[in-house]
Amino acid sequence: DAMVIQNPRYQVTQFGKPVTLSCSQTLNHNVMYWYQQKSSQAPKLLFHYYDKDFNNEADTPDNFQSRRPNTSFCFLDIRSPGLGDAAMYLCATSLGSRPETQYFGPGTRLLVL
Amino acid sequence: RKEVEQDPGPFNVPEGATVAFNCTYSNSASQSFFWYRQDCRKEPKLLMSVYSSGNEDGRFTAQLNRASQYISLLIRDSKLSDSATYLCVVNVGGNTPLVFGKGTRLSVIA
Repeated sequence: DAMVIQNPRYQVTQFGKPVTLSCSQTLNHNVMYWYQQKSSQAPKLLFHYYDKDFNNEADTPDNFQSRRPNTSFCFLDIRSPGLGDAAMYLCATSLGSRPETQYFGPGTRLLVL
Repeated sequence: RKEVEQDPGPFNVPEGATVAFNCTYSNSASQSFFWYRQDCRKEPKLLMSVYSSGNEDGRFTAQLNRASQYISLLIRDSKLSDSATYLCVVNVGGNTPLVFGKGTRLSVIA
């Protein structure tokens, strides 16, 4: 089945130790998004790629970086995780012609010790 | 004013009850509207789109009032499996990503 896959589902890291979260999709969607979601809050958009064009939200900390080596894969790099970065990280995709429908991956829950 | 506002709840209702959620949005140029459902510790999933004329999908009815910038979701005959967080989502158009509300938590109790 076509889908959005995120690995790992759970990630534990130490304060300040870089971590990379991955997302892959078989939907062949040209738009990919990374969201951060904390408990009882809305998903917060960090950045998105429209094809190869990278779009960073103004309030996304520099600590967060992203790479999209090809259509199918997208990575979220957290260079120096702080305790406040513990959250669920959601990857989503959409088709450029239909941005209103996003398909989410199952998320990666990040714990920072 | 936040772009999309929702009553966070929680709404605790007995099985079989009818429950309604409201949502307001600030951008009058918003083009399309959706309700997403998010189960605990899971990803959001599209529940239904909201059309100007209102639309129904089984026990779920969504309505849009553009003049008041207001969206609603009505759930009739609530089931235990309806327990989740319901996210109001707005598309402001162009290539701008969707804007999510914080969600309204529903607990249906036996």
